[in-house]
Amino acid sequence: GEDVEQSLFLSVREGDSSVINCTYTDSSSTYLYWYKQEPGAGLQLLTYIFSNMDMKQDQRLTVLLNKKDKHLSLRIADTQTGDSAIYFCAEVGDYKLSFGAGTTVTVRA
Amino acid sequence: KAGVTQTPRYLIKTRGQQVTLSCSPISGHRSVSWYQQTPGQGLQFLFEYFSETQRNKGNFPGRFSGRQFSNSRSEMNVSTLELGDSALYLCASSRQRKPTDTQYFGPGTRLTVL
Repeated sequence: GEDVEQSLFLSVREGDSSVINCTYTDSSSTYLYWYKQEPGAGLQLLTYIFSNMDMKQDQRLTVLLNKKDKHLSLRIADTQTGDSAIYFCAEVGDYKLSFGAGTTVTVRA
Repeated sequence: KAGVTQTPRYLIKTRGQQVTLSCSPISGHRSVSWYQQTPGQGLQFLFEYFSETQRNKGNFPGRFSGRQFSNSRSEMNVSTLELGDSALYLCASSRQRKPTDTQYFGPGTRLTVL
């Protein structure tokens, strides 16, 4: 469960949709997670998806999972200034989380 | 229900000193994990405790240690501090020790080593 990869930066206009992409390595991961970190804060669990699902929607958040390509994405609809943060995808293996480097999302007016 | 709490929130130490950080999990959670976050290495797993026993350990030197108490509270200790130990230390708790159990994080302890 090492080397989870994410793009590092995303800039999006307020009101547009944001899409954050992630590739993971462990095909046996049962759950995949998205966490949000605001400046000076810890990690806030945003959503997760079970590995036997293709898609999960939770209000403005949509998670897509492509197991064949080990690709995970998080779509944030109607992005707001409060969505500016670092977003981490994580896979779980051997009872521990392996994180990507994080995608810094900047929302511009 | 209160979330994961960590104390202290900020800490400044000098090289060679030792430090103890504390984590109180969400009520009813029995598994506690610790992670180190640095700008260079990102988020790295330190160790995991369940039922007062260390169940899993990351790739860190022996200067990093921890323990868990019968009430599931956990402490981690770093001895002989080095400049590179400056980081945000995050604690996470989960209900049991199952791969499907979600980990919830505390706000972290920001350690600065001078």
